[in-house]
Formats: sequence, structure tokens, C-alpha cells
Amino acid sequence: DTAVSQTPKYLVTQMGNDKSIKCEQNLGHDTMYWYKQDSKKFLKIMFSYNNKELIINETVPNRFSPKSPDKAHLNLHINSLELGDSAVYFCASSQVAGGRDTQYFGPGTRLTVL
Amino acid sequence: GQNIDQPTEMTATEGAIVQINCTYQTSGFNGLFWYQQHAGEAPTFLSYNVLDGLEEKGRFSSFLSRSKGYSYLLLKELQMKDSASYLCAVRDSNYQLIWGAGTKLIIKP
Repeated sequence: DTAVSQTPKYLVTQMGNDKSIKCEQNLGHDTMYWYKQDSKKFLKIMFSYNNKELIINETVPNRFSPKSPDKAHLNLHINSLELGDSAVYFCASSQVAGGRDTQYFGPGTRLTVL
Repeated sequence: GQNIDQPTEMTATEGAIVQINCTYQTSGFNGLFWYQQHAGEAPTFLSYNVLDGLEEKGRFSSFLSRSKGYSYLLLKELQMKDSASYLCAVRDSNYQLIWGAGTKLIIKP
């Protein structure tokens, strides 16, 4: 009964490759997110998406693109991987309730680019 | 620009009390969150403040002063399992969450 799941948990790949990370939530939430957490542990929002609006952090390279086949899924596709893309990527979801929207995070995907 | 400041690292003793401070400068304010993140794991929700004052939840309490742009997380009766990073996040006027870099808390026996 995992709330937010991501696959794969670990991803090791060569520079220049294209890869995808999948995310699914079974909480019925309207909004999903992708975060990047680098070696300094700083959590940086990349995208937030609901069925109405995609909000992109303008600092995110256009090599990164979210794809949402339905409300429960938000996948992250990365083209032409670079060394600096190595990080842990977290998916999260939230729903406004009682005036707040707590975010529930997936377990993370550790991406290593060689 | 928007900014969240937290100490990088703190050390405390098992059984003691520790206060982790967070100051913020954001374009508007629509709530402040504290999350806990154990090494190698995902962040998990601890507390939420939107009005001034103290919110208590078991051994953890969180305080907010909107006029000062300040919050703290208070952890009592520290246990070894409380060793983790504690992340402060503020929702701004656009309802975007702005995250601090986190405070790594080390608990010693």
C-alpha cells in the first residue's frame, strides 16, 4: 500500500544517454512534483504539475521533461545526461486539505552519470 | 530573492532538548513546514504552522513568528533515532514551496 513509489531506486548510466524515472501515487492527490537533491542535500523543486497546470522551475534545463499519462503518474525524462545530473531525484504528491497541502515523498532515485 | 536560513549542523545529547532555528525571507507567506529526512531516505512531514504561536505534537513542537520571519523546531527527550536532517520550507504568495538546505542533527549518547 505504498503511497508514492518510484522506479528505479538506483540508476547508473553513461553521459549522453537518455533515461526515464517513473513515479506513481495512489493517494488520489491532484498535484505531483519532481525534486532534485544534490550532494549538499539541498532540495530543489524542478516541476510541479496537476491536471491543469505545469509549473517549471526556470533554472531546470530543457533536457528534463515531465510526462504525465494520467493523474496518478508523473514520469521524468532526461535527455543527453551530463555529469552534473548525478543526484537523488524525489517524486512527491500533495492535496490541499484543511488549508494546507502536505507533501508525500517517494523513496527517491539515485542517479549516477559516469 | 527568496531565502531560507538554517544552521548546517547541530549536535545534541541523548535525552536532552534541542532547538533548530529557521529564518525566512520570502515573497509572501502561506505556511511553514518542517520535514525530517533520515540519511538515504525521503523527507517525511513533521509539522505545519500558518499562525503565530506554538504547535505541539508529542516530543516535537514548532513555533512561528510571522512578523520576525522566524520559526523553530523543538525536539525534547532526544533519542538516537532523531539523528537526521531537518528541513524548513515556506510556501510563498504563489503557493510555491521554498526549501531550506536543512540542518543535520547529530545525537550523541
